[in-house]
Amino acid sequence: DAGVIQSPRHEVTEMGQEVTLRCKPISGHDYLFWYRQTMMRGLELLIYFNNNVPIDDSGMPEDRFSAKMPNASFSTLKIQPSEPRDSAVYFCASSFIGKRDEAFFGQGTRLTVV
Amino acid sequence: GQQLNQSPQSMFIQEGEDVSMNCTSSSIFNTWLWYKQEPGEGPVLLIALYKAGELTSNGRLTAQFGITRKDSFLNISASIPSDVGIYFCAGPSGLQGAQKLVFGQGTRLTINP
Repeated sequence: DAGVIQSPRHEVTEMGQEVTLRCKPISGHDYLFWYRQTMMRGLELLIYFNNNVPIDDSGMPEDRFSAKMPNASFSTLKIQPSEPRDSAVYFCASSFIGKRDEAFFGQGTRLTVV
Repeated sequence: GQQLNQSPQSMFIQEGEDVSMNCTSSSIFNTWLWYKQEPGEGPVLLIALYKAGELTSNGRLTAQFGITRKDSFLNISASIPSDVGIYFCAGPSGLQGAQKLVFGQGTRLTINP
């Protein structure tokens, strides 16, 4: 199993630009999560999907953030427009309904907004 | 919301020593998870605990689900250099059926060879 695959691994962009992060969950997993990790706030859940449907997006910081899951094997997290305070490592994770608490994480995307 | 407090925040030990860390919460958790994160990587699940009082091992790692459901412990025996990393506890919070995994702040483990 290839695990959760995220792209790109690193992204440097200028303030105001649109940023799109991508995730391919583990095949067969029903849940997909987007987390953000910073030194100040640690790991925070932004949004999660169940069977491609967004269930809870209360962790999304602002309207500048949006996430989609058009099918079971792909999800995107978009920031438009990006700001320096969005700089962080963004993780995608997935789990399956049999052990839905056990999330498997991707390697993350390190985003730097300058 | 529910919060998890880990201690210690960091540990500096000699190779071969045993390690103990814990995680506490002001509210009850029905599941406790322990993850390890290495530099430049995502968290990797080490142990999952589902029952109060449960003691589970994974190689040199042993974790326990506290009887009160408000704490959990992770022990590493005979530490080796590859144990270096940040260890996180986590648990699902929110309404039953919801799936919001909250994480502690982490315990950073450094090992002197």
